[in-house]
Order: sequence, then structure tokens, then C-alpha cells
Amino acid sequence: AQSVAQPEDQVNVAEGNPLTVKCTYSVSGNPYLFWYVQYPNRGLQFLLKYITGDNLVKGSYGFEAEFNKSQTSFHLKKPSALVSDSALYFCAVRDITSSASKIIFGSGTRLSIRP
Amino acid sequence: NAGVTQTPKFRVLKTGQSMTLLCAQDMNHEYMYWYRQDPGMGLRLIHYSVGEGTTAKGEVPDGYNVSRLKKQNFLLGLESAAPSQTSVYFCASSPDRDHTDTQYFGPGTRLTVL
Repeated sequence: AQSVAQPEDQVNVAEGNPLTVKCTYSVSGNPYLFWYVQYPNRGLQFLLKYITGDNLVKGSYGFEAEFNKSQTSFHLKKPSALVSDSALYFCAVRDITSSASKIIFGSGTRLSIRP
Repeated sequence: NAGVTQTPKFRVLKTGQSMTLLCAQDMNHEYMYWYRQDPGMGLRLIHYSVGEGTTAKGEVPDGYNVSRLKKQNFLLGLESAAPSQTSVYFCASSPDRDHTDTQYFGPGTRLTVL
């Protein structure tokens, strides 16, 4: 079965420092991986996705994610954190056993950036 | 474009009452989804639709029904609400042109069942 795991419920980073939000996946076949962000009282917004090609994927708001096949990971990164990056982040994988573009979400990681 | 909109934004029900949540999208997307979000559990798929007139069960369909009579609308119904259905409900849509498309989410409906 397709799944993703986000091992950290919360990540705390000082403003200006690099940040990493971890995600590991388990899929059969090639993975289609996504990161979404949820700001307070809002719906999810797409950040970036990996389908194929370069292992480093660049997305919105200066975020990037590194696909690592050997470690089955897709960690979200940003070189310099902003207070406005504080939000809930979800890793997700496309369920290729479904014809309906279903996405399976991780449990989420709350990112808190302190000034 | 308004994108994906949901009504109502908030609702409080008593156990046993019924209600319908409305999702509308103006992007001409074929695929639409209903999720529920609970603390520590991410988003779980309730029902989805791959086109007008079609619906299918997701991960947690029990206690919910859906209808997609028009392409732009996807309705989620609770026939007899239970406290376990207290949650935040999100609708999403996707063009799914090549199975790698992202999903576009509405702002959510916060439902409390007393």
C-alpha cells in the first residue's frame, strides 16, 4: 500500500536558519510525491511535487525538496526560514493503484519559526 | 476565478440532525474530493468523483453520502450526524490530465456535532 510518514509532529527553527521537514514514503513503482502547506484557518495549498527528473525540486515561497530514492525520503527544505513560514506542512503521495488521482497524506508537521 | 468554495464555513449540529455541505469549483475540473481533517491524522478521503454523475467511496465513507449532479458542484451529506463526525471538512478539485496534477482545496467547513 502507498503511504507517507512524517516522523516529527513539530519542528522549531529560529528565523534566518535553514529548515528541514522530513518525509519518508513507501510505494510500489515510481513515486509521485507532493508537499502542501496549510496556514491557520485555511485550506491546503500546493508547494511542489516530484514526478520524475531532477532529484531537487523547487517550489513556491523559496521551498525546495530533495528526492532520495535509496533512503525513500522527500524532505522539504528552505535555506533561510521566515516567521511567515510558520504553518502545518503535509507530505503526500499519489495512490497509483487508483485511477482517480487520489492522494494519500501524511499526518502533518507543524513548523514554528521564532523571531 | 473564485477557485474552490465551500458553504457553510461553520456549523453546529445536534446528534441525529442532517445537513449538506456544498462545494463549488469554477475551474472546469473533472475530479472532486471530500476530506476530513482531524488532529494528528492528516486528511482522510471520504468520497470522490471522477466526473459529473459519478461518485465513489474513499477511506472513511461511513455516515456520509455525496452527489455530483453538476460538474461544478459536489455535495456532502450527513443524514444523521454523530459526535464522531465533528471535524474540519475540505473539498478539493483536480483536472487530473495526466494523473500527476495537484489538487486545489477549498477553505474548509468546521462542523461540530453535540
